[in-house]
Amino acid sequence: EAEVAQSPRYKITEKSQAVAFWCDPISGHATLYWYRQILGQGPELLVQFQDESVVDDSQLPKDRFSAERLKGVDSTLKIQPAELGDSAMYLCASSSFGQGREQYFGPGTRLTVT
Amino acid sequence: AQKITQTQPGMFVQEKEAVTLDCTYDTSDPSYGLFWYKQPSSGEMIFLIYQGSYDQQNATEGRYSLNFQKARKSANLVISASQLGDSAMYFCAMREGVGGTSYGKLTFGQGTILTVHP
Repeated sequence: EAEVAQSPRYKITEKSQAVAFWCDPISGHATLYWYRQILGQGPELLVQFQDESVVDDSQLPKDRFSAERLKGVDSTLKIQPAELGDSAMYLCASSSFGQGREQYFGPGTRLTVT
Repeated sequence: AQKITQTQPGMFVQEKEAVTLDCTYDTSDPSYGLFWYKQPSSGEMIFLIYQGSYDQQNATEGRYSLNFQKARKSANLVISASQLGDSAMYFCAMREGVGGTSYGKLTFGQGTILTVHP
């Protein structure tokens, strides 16, 4: 069964350092989402791609966060510099535009900033 | 205003009993979709069930059913015959402006922690 892949699964970094997360969606899925989930809360959308284009990044802290999906397949989310408040689970999801209803989530990257 | 409200921070149920997890939503869009996800302690989000705003019947998926009351804007999840493996965090989510596509983002509630006792 096809799955959304994410790496790393866990990341510990010091504040002010740079960190990057990678996501490979299910093959053929045009829509890719990055969510951030703070402990004890529901996920919140950071950025949404349709193919290689950003369609929603209204909640992305653009002074420190960046996201790209250059060839419309896999995607990278970067934080520079990391802050203590960035400690969270970062979830990637994908869906097939025009069909299907659910978004398929990857296992997530649990980030701890010290 | 919160779009998705889950008022039960935690719920307990005895194994083999049924349990209902509450969810209310707020939208002015006539076309929307409602979802329930399960998140075990390992962190992955597992899709459970979906209800479209125009669906005439309540959705069912195995032991999961969605009690959809459109006028009350509620979409409660019912888990029948609870199992120990059902212990997890459960999230209700909504996607507005579905229109038959999977374009829009999901807005999640705060979640409900379900504990199943043997």
